[in-house]
Amino acid sequence: DQQVKQNSPSLSVQEGRISILNCDYTNSMFDYFLWYKKYPAEGPTFLISISSIKDKNEDGRFTVFLNKSAKHLSLHIVPSQPGDSAVYFCAATGANSKLTFGKGITLSVRP
Amino acid sequence: NAGVTQTPKFQVLKTGQSMTLQCAQDMNHNSMYWYRQDPGMGLRLIYYSASEGTTDKGEVPNGYNVSRLNKREFSLRLESAAPSQTSVYFCASTQSWGAVTGELFFGEGSRLTVL
Repeated sequence: DQQVKQNSPSLSVQEGRISILNCDYTNSMFDYFLWYKKYPAEGPTFLISISSIKDKNEDGRFTVFLNKSAKHLSLHIVPSQPGDSAVYFCAATGANSKLTFGKGITLSVRP
Repeated sequence: NAGVTQTPKFQVLKTGQSMTLQCAQDMNHNSMYWYRQDPGMGLRLIYYSASEGTTDKGEVPNGYNVSRLNKREFSLRLESAAPSQTSVYFCASTQSWGAVTGELFFGEGSRLTVL
C-alpha cells in the first residue's frame, strides 16, 4: 500500500518556466513532509520541508505547498533551470519518525 | 567532510553468495538507515538504527541483517543473495531518531547485482 504517491513519473519544462511536482499521501498521521533531489550516481539530498501546521514554505526558487484536507502537497520551482534536472522524491513522516518515500518524479528542464 | 561513506560502490554476486555493505558517517549522528532503490519503487527502508546498540526492521527487511558496530558504522549483510536483491543501496544518517525533520544525509549508494 503506497502511502506516499507521486503519480506522474516524469515532467518536462522549458528553462525559465515553472515546474510543479505533485505528491499525494494517504496516512493522516503524517505531520511533516519533505522533498529530496537526486542526481544520477549520487545519493538523495534534502531540498525543502514543511510542517503540517503550515500551508506554505519558501526557500529561494523552491516553494512547497501543503493542502491537508486534500492530503496533497506540491513543489514549485520558479524559474526552472537546466541544473534542476533530477529525480525528486516526496517523503513524509509522523510520530514514528520513519521517512516514507514516494516513487519519485524525473524532472527535465529543457534549455 | 566525507559525510556518509559507503563501500563498495559496485558489486556483482552469484545467487547464494554472501556479502556485507559497509557504511560509516563522520557527523556524530545517532541514527542510521539502510534504504534500497529500485526502478519505479522509490526508496524503501530496510533496517534502521535509532541509536548505538539498537536496530529495528523497516519496510523490506527479509533477506538482510544489520549490525550497528559503533556510533559511526552501520553494516548491511546479505547472507544468501538472491536476484531480487539486485538494487542500489543507500545508507543515511541523521542527528537523532526523534528529529527526522529534514536533514537525512545519504551516501552515494552501492550498486549490487545478483546473477
